[in-house]
Amino acid sequence: AQSVAQPEDQVNVAEGNPLTVKCTYSVSGNPYLFWYVQYPNRGLQFLLKYITGDNLVKGSYGFEAEFNKSQTSFHLKKPSALVSDSALYFCAVRLTNQAGTALIFGKGTTLSVSS
Amino acid sequence: GAGVSQSPSNKVTEKGKDVELRCDPISGHTALYWYRQRLGQGLEFLIYFQGNSAPDKSGLPSDRFSAERTGESVSTLTIQRTQQEDSAVYLCASSPGLAVTGELFFGEGSRLTVL
Repeated sequence: AQSVAQPEDQVNVAEGNPLTVKCTYSVSGNPYLFWYVQYPNRGLQFLLKYITGDNLVKGSYGFEAEFNKSQTSFHLKKPSALVSDSALYFCAVRLTNQAGTALIFGKGTTLSVSS
Repeated sequence: GAGVSQSPSNKVTEKGKDVELRCDPISGHTALYWYRQRLGQGLEFLIYFQGNSAPDKSGLPSDRFSAERTGESVSTLTIQRTQQEDSAVYLCASSPGLAVTGELFFGEGSRLTVL
């Protein structure tokens, strides 16, 4: 069965420093990978996705993520963190041959950026 | 409307009562999903509707949970004989169709508290 793991419950960084939120996946085929962000008392918002092509994808708010097939990872990154980036981040996966299926989400990682 | 609308935003109920949660998807979106987010846990897939196809109910945790959707419009998630472990935020999402590459658009959720 496909699954997504986010090994860190919380990540703490200082404003201006680079940030990484980790995600690994386990699937038997080729994955489509997504990152979503949830701000307090809000619904989830789409950040970025990897479908095919360049392993480095860029998304909203200056975030990017790198798809690494050999390590089965899709870590979320940002060169310089902002306090406003503090939120709950979810990684999600869907198999490429499973049209019409729901996304499978990880447990989420809370990012806290201090000023 | 412009986004996915869910109601009620908050619901407090007594153990054993039935509750109904409503989701109004983005106009034109044929796919609709329900997820559950319990405190400190990730998003748990519940059920998925795609057009007039039979729904994917594989995530429903028990027969106390059911959902309906008429055509490509509003969906209702019903929880019968609520239990304290049903307390969670119930998130609804919609997407334009079957595309595996498509991102989901989430509502702000319905927070259910079972006393």
